[in-house]
Amino acid sequence: DTGVSQDPRHKITKRGQNVTFRCDPISEHNRLYWYRQTLGQGPEFLTYFQNEAQLEKSRLLSDRFSAERPKGSFSTLEIQRTEQGDSAMYLCASSFGSGYTFGSGTRLTVV
Amino acid sequence: AQTVTQSQPEMSVQEAETVTLSCTYDTSESDYYLFWYKQPPSRQMILVIRQEAYKQQNATENRFSVNFQKAAKSFSLKISDSQLGDAAMYFCAYRSGDFGNEKLTFGTGTRLTIIP
Repeated sequence: DTGVSQDPRHKITKRGQNVTFRCDPISEHNRLYWYRQTLGQGPEFLTYFQNEAQLEKSRLLSDRFSAERPKGSFSTLEIQRTEQGDSAMYLCASSFGSGYTFGSGTRLTVV
Repeated sequence: AQTVTQSQPEMSVQEAETVTLSCTYDTSESDYYLFWYKQPPSRQMILVIRQEAYKQQNATENRFSVNFQKAAKSFSLKISDSQLGDAAMYFCAYRSGDFGNEKLTFGTGTRLTIIP
């Protein structure tokens, strides 16, 4: 078990481009979460899945954001038409029961 | 909605001394979990300690212990015998006990500096 892995670690993109991040959770964890963390702040909840079902989405998740978890395994988070305000660290976590494991995050910079 | 407040943006402590980080939260629920996470510069969030609200006994993990005051909605973290490796951002987090409402709500964090 190698923990929660996220890819890429860093992404620089031009404003208006689309980006996609991937998260591979711990294999036996049925729940997967996405959070966004801006500099100097705590992580903010974006969305979460139980198996392949997306159970909750934050109001922070605008129409430009979409997340999937096909077959209840890895998950992708796509941001369309990126804006400078999307620059942040995107964290993925997985859980089974009340224990969470976080990945190292993907740092997105929109220029 | 639940909120978590960490009123100390920065704290510093001499190596080997004891430091306490503060956290308060607001909720109308009676069943919930509280967590302290550590985020070193390498950025991966690491669980330090957790507390179930129904347990009166304060959680302890080696040098880390909490003071959980349910009526006051306070959840402070005490780090004893501080070590250089304890330097990090520390986040307090809340999770509802309701099945299906399992997202974490975080505070804004406290940056802990260890002075050699």
